[in-house]
Amino acid sequence: AQKITQTQPGMFVQEKEAVTLDCTYDTSDQSYGLFWYKQPSSGEMIFLIYQGSYDEQNATEGRYSLNFQKARKSANLVISASQLGDSAMYFCAMRQPRVTGNQFYFGTGTSLTVIP
Amino acid sequence: GAVVSQHPSWVICKSGTSVKIECRSLDFQATTMFWYRQFPKQSLMLMATSNEGSKATYEQGVEKDKFLINHASLTLSTLTVTSAHPEDSSFYICSASPSDRAVSYEQYFGPGTRLTVT
Repeated sequence: AQKITQTQPGMFVQEKEAVTLDCTYDTSDQSYGLFWYKQPSSGEMIFLIYQGSYDEQNATEGRYSLNFQKARKSANLVISASQLGDSAMYFCAMRQPRVTGNQFYFGTGTSLTVIP
Repeated sequence: GAVVSQHPSWVICKSGTSVKIECRSLDFQATTMFWYRQFPKQSLMLMATSNEGSKATYEQGVEKDKFLINHASLTLSTLTVTSAHPEDSSFYICSASPSDRAVSYEQYFGPGTRLTVT
């Protein structure tokens, strides 16, 4: 079963507008972590934001915020005031603790294009 | 801080040969390193989890004898693709989790290695 689901293969947003990238996850664990990464065309994965399953407040990092709805198992990324440099692939990921160490699962990604 | 390097950044090899990819944490120690594979326009697929001083834990479907992982020190893990075939051509990315964090949820990614097998 898919652990992380990103239903938007591609998104467009006007420069300076806000955009929400969807992510839902599947786990029966109580302790887990949710991440968003950005992957530009150059290929490197850039960490954006983290939300722990026990964190009661939504995580924020500058223009990025994570809309965490635990009961719905969703962890949407909101990018405010989009910039041209935000055009990239965005991946949602989940960490689950295991005896052998942390396990990470990635979604299929959303390609974001910022239009001038 | 928290820089991870990979070497080489790209490599072309002939079918049947072996290729070694290095992953180094430059400014921190990493007890755990991860190896991922990414096909064009697709997501990252975790291949294995590498723990310093012990055998790697491979994901289901990943051939241990084909993808040899060695994590000999707290700053270096290597992935060797043995007897490479064209279907092994892919983008290989490593990541490292710092050892000194109380909550080791962070992982820092290397820039990736693009392997082309001809």
